[in-house]
Amino acid sequence: GAVVSQHPSWVICKSGTSVKIECRSLDFQATTMFWYRQFPKQSLMLMATSNEGSKATYEQGVEKDKFLINHASLTLSTLTVTSAHPEDSSFYICSAPTILPFYGYTFGSGTRLTVV
Amino acid sequence: QKEVEQDPGPLSVPEGAIVSLNCTYSNSAFQYFMWYRQYSRKGPELLMYTYSSGNKEDGRFTAQVDKSSKYISLFIRDSQPSDSATYLCAMSLSYSGAGSYQLTFGKGTKLSVIP
Repeated sequence: GAVVSQHPSWVICKSGTSVKIECRSLDFQATTMFWYRQFPKQSLMLMATSNEGSKATYEQGVEKDKFLINHASLTLSTLTVTSAHPEDSSFYICSAPTILPFYGYTFGSGTRLTVV
Repeated sequence: QKEVEQDPGPLSVPEGAIVSLNCTYSNSAFQYFMWYRQYSRKGPELLMYTYSSGNKEDGRFTAQVDKSSKYISLFIRDSQPSDSATYLCAMSLSYSGAGSYQLTFGKGTKLSVIP
């Protein structure tokens, strides 16, 4: 139980295009979803917090118009990187808090984005 | 001072060794402490979690929290090559209420267990 399915696992896109990353909670309802970015050899950096049915909360320095987050249902949250540039190349991971089967946070498997 | 400090390593040990991984933190309000294991190009997976101070054991893994020293540890006994991964410590203020879900991560320690 408590699985977060994240797609795609990797994507290569051209500079200037947009990319959508999906995270689905498969067997539980995720009222909150965290979106992280991880650069090589760096820790996970929280980008934004999405809550079902309301606007996402962005961390300082994260452009909300560039990283569009939608949490339209209790099982789906999406991150769209708009007008992607090479500096947006990174590993993006979503995470949802869970209570069962364990008290913690379930992570998606991550999306490696490469912008060329 | 960063909120959570973790030596990034890399740490290389022979198979069967006892591994000690540590984090220090500055925010005394943290209450929940977790260790995650992250394999290359994968999302982190939860290994252990503890609430407040104390020890918790699960198989070859033992997590320790010393809130008075703001220091947490993860011990791996009889380490195996399959334990080779990056280990991230994480902590949160509480588990209820808006805004309290956020995790603060350490940088992660890369561990290699050599056969």
